[in-house]
Amino acid sequence: EVQLVQSGAEVGKPGESLRISCQDSGYTFSKYWITWVRQMPGKGLEWMGRIDPSDSYTNYSPSFEGHVTLSVDKSISTAYLQWSSLKASDTAMYYCARLATTEPWGQGTLVTVSS
Amino acid sequence: QSVLTQTPSTSGTPGQRVTIYCSGSRSNIGSNTVNWYQQFPGMAPKLLLYNTNLRPSGVPDRFSGSKSGTSASLAISGLQSEDEADYHCAAWDDRLNGYVFGTGTKVTVL
Repeated sequence: EVQLVQSGAEVGKPGESLRISCQDSGYTFSKYWITWVRQMPGKGLEWMGRIDPSDSYTNYSPSFEGHVTLSVDKSISTAYLQWSSLKASDTAMYYCARLATTEPWGQGTLVTVSS
Repeated sequence: QSVLTQTPSTSGTPGQRVTIYCSGSRSNIGSNTVNWYQQFPGMAPKLLLYNTNLRPSGVPDRFSGSKSGTSASLAISGLQSEDEADYHCAAWDDRLNGYVFGTGTKVTVL
């Protein structure tokens, strides 16, 4: 079964940079957009944006544009979500998913930002 | 920040039918299909219904969906204890040019 496998939990300090990943274990990486979703503790789901792996075209939610960067490395079928300057409010679970398919989401990456 | 509004919680006894509602606007539910996700504590969301009323392989047929105007609903018939979870609606929003999720509904089986 095709799977999206995310990198492990991360702890960072305010102002630090951080990158988390989402690797496709199948053979369809470039076929569908990869979406990133945030879930803050005890809260609902928020669409952050998406990236087309075939050409790296991105589409961000206004709520996240300018604060995060989406990218891909096609050679290793991996998508990335990156922060250049973390804030305490970035503490959340982050999921990657291919929303245009019925495939399972990634298992999630917990990011904790604390001084 | 959620654009789609859901009742925060609902409950039912085993065997009962419960319905979850999702209210949006013309630019999202009014113009596009709706997806529903089921999420258990500590787990990633799982697609429950797509294109408003289609079930992915493995989803029981007691889950059904519908849409009318700018609102959508998810019905669970024959409620079972394993249905206790959070449920999220979602749709593409043409005005925002992005995907929007509902506020989420917690279903409790009494």
